Amino acid sequence: AQSVTQPDIHITVSEGASLELRCNYSYGATPYLFWYVQSPGQGLQLLLKYFSGDTLVQGIKGFEAEFKRSQSSFNLRKPSVHWSDAAEYFCAVGRTGANNLFFGTGTRLTVIP
Amino acid sequence: NAGVTQTPKFRVLKTGQSMTLLCAQDMNHEYMYWYRQDPGMGLRLIHYSVGEGTTAKGEVPDGYNVSRLKKQNFLLGLESAAPSQTSVYFCASSSAPPSSLHFGNGTRLTVT
Repeated sequence: AQSVTQPDIHITVSEGASLELRCNYSYGATPYLFWYVQSPGQGLQLLLKYFSGDTLVQGIKGFEAEFKRSQSSFNLRKPSVHWSDAAEYFCAVGRTGANNLFFGTGTRLTVIP
Repeated sequence: NAGVTQTPKFRVLKTGQSMTLLCAQDMNHEYMYWYRQDPGMGLRLIHYSVGEGTTAKGEVPDGYNVSRLKKQNFLLGLESAAPSQTSVYFCASSSAPPSSLHFGNGTRLTVT
């Protein structure tokens, strides 16, 4: 069975600092990987996705993520965090033939001035 | 430019009452999903549909029913609400997997 682990429940960073959110997945074949962001009271918005090809993918709002097959990871990064990035971030995995995505439990990001 | 619209946004039920949540999408997507979000548990799939007239169970289907009579609508029903169903419910739609999901803004349901 596939699963997604986000080991950090809550992360606090200073505005302007760099950010890395961790995501590990468990799946035998090449997965399809996603990062979503959820602002308070809102639905989830897609940040970026990886299906194949270049393992470093760029997303919206200056985010990027790198797929590392050897580590079964798909960590999200941003070089300089803005106060508006405070939100909850979800990693999700899908696979060919599956009709849905499996979501991690989320990482809440707090940004301090 | 509505995308995925969920109604209502908030609802309070007493134990044993019934209700229906409505999800509408205007992107002509074949696939639609109902998730519930609980603190510390991420999103869990309740039911989904791969096209008009079809439904299938997800991870946590017990206590819920769904219908997809029209391609653009996906209804989630609770026949006899229980406090354990207090949650935030999200509807999503997508093209054929592994496409990304488009989410509504959620319905916050409280069962007392």
